Amino acid sequence: SQTIHQWPATLVQPVGSPLSLECTVEGTSNPNLYWYRQAAGRGLQLLFYSVGIGQISSEVPQNLSASRPQDRQFILSSKKLLLSDSGFYLCAWSGDRLFGQFFGPGTRLTVL
Amino acid sequence: GQQLNQSPQSMFIQEGEDVSMNCTSSSIFNTWLWYKQEPGEGPVLLIALYKAGELTSNGRLTAQFGITRKDSFLNISASIPSDVGIYFCAGQLRTSGSRLTFGEGTQLTVNP
Repeated sequence: SQTIHQWPATLVQPVGSPLSLECTVEGTSNPNLYWYRQAAGRGLQLLFYSVGIGQISSEVPQNLSASRPQDRQFILSSKKLLLSDSGFYLCAWSGDRLFGQFFGPGTRLTVL
Repeated sequence: GQQLNQSPQSMFIQEGEDVSMNCTSSSIFNTWLWYKQEPGEGPVLLIALYKAGELTSNGRLTAQFGITRKDSFLNISASIPSDVGIYFCAGQLRTSGSRLTFGEGTQLTVNP
């Protein structure tokens, strides 16, 4: 069966510091991968999605970036965090067909 | 772009009551999905609907894919305290690959 992991689970970072969040998927190959941000427990905002290694599409311009160095690894990064980057970051995967997306446990990021 | 209107935004009910929530869109979708998110966790897929008019049950949960392909509802019968969480609808369009359009969520509170 497929599983999706995210780490860290929680993170507290000062403004201006860098960020790296990691997501990995097991039990499947060639998944589509997604990064979402959720503020205040409501609404999922799609940040990036990837259909393959090195292929990243950005949905919202911001100071975040994403990379996919391996088939089942998706990384969310920032060079300098802003206060507004605080939130709950969710990674998700899907197959090629219309069967929905499956979410990881999330990372709670607090920027102080 | 496509938008989903999910209602109600929140519900406060007594244990044992039935719950109904719905999503409407100005555009058609090929797939409708319903997710539940508990505090501090990622959304979990509850029900997926693939055909207009389809009615699908998962335990005490029942969901329907509207005939017009522009709406879906989710019913929860005989609610229990563990039903607490945020319920999201999501639509998937074949031409958008596996990307989803999410509703804003319905926050459900069940009083014992």
